[in-house]
Amino acid sequence: QQPVQSPQAVILREGEDAVINCSSSKALYSVHWYRQKHGEAPVFLMILLKGGEQKGHEKISASFNEKKQQSSLYLTASQLSYSGTYFCGTEIDYGQNFVFGPGTRLSVLP
Amino acid sequence: ETGVTQSPTHLIKTRGQQVTLRCSSQSGHNTVSWYQQALGQGPQFIFQYYREEENGRGNFPPRFSGLQFPNYSSELNVNALELDDSALYLCASSFSNNYGYTFGSGTRLTVV
Repeated sequence: QQPVQSPQAVILREGEDAVINCSSSKALYSVHWYRQKHGEAPVFLMILLKGGEQKGHEKISASFNEKKQQSSLYLTASQLSYSGTYFCGTEIDYGQNFVFGPGTRLSVLP
Repeated sequence: ETGVTQSPTHLIKTRGQQVTLRCSSQSGHNTVSWYQQALGQGPQFIFQYYREEENGRGNFPPRFSGLQFPNYSSELNVNALELDDSALYLCASSFSNNYGYTFGSGTRLTVV
């Protein structure tokens, strides 16, 4: 079953922060986050596994709340290069129907 | 690492024909998944192979089939093409369950 993402779209000014949410009605084994720019393939950002810790690097991090089956992607001090569509992907078990959410379109303006 | 390579990049087929799309994964990536992405939509999961066996399938009819080979390459076969099969087809591979997927650039299939 496809996870739900919110918001559908967000427009930011360079330097602003954003949060993108992903939720599932099923117990999840993993949550992935990807960014896809127009005309390009999705690029892996990070994976959060059941029982794992919040992950991230410099200005992009994510969390996974196993009780609520929710994940959030945090974009801090956004840069123009952050523009694109962000997809969460979820698995109920390894290799079992890795399903993408509908995506969140992020636009960062100068 | 050589990345994930898909061929061909573009393809035009006639309704009713059959098509084979190919994917060459990174060495050591024993998991490969295929996705269909319509314009403006998220990738839709078709199926996944792990060590040459299908171990997950999305909501696609049996005319979508695949194979994974020992050399980390894989194929997506679609029979009896329909106009709605027109989409970008993405292949993604992974080393293990603790890593994300690396995507190829996709094959743009147009069915006329």
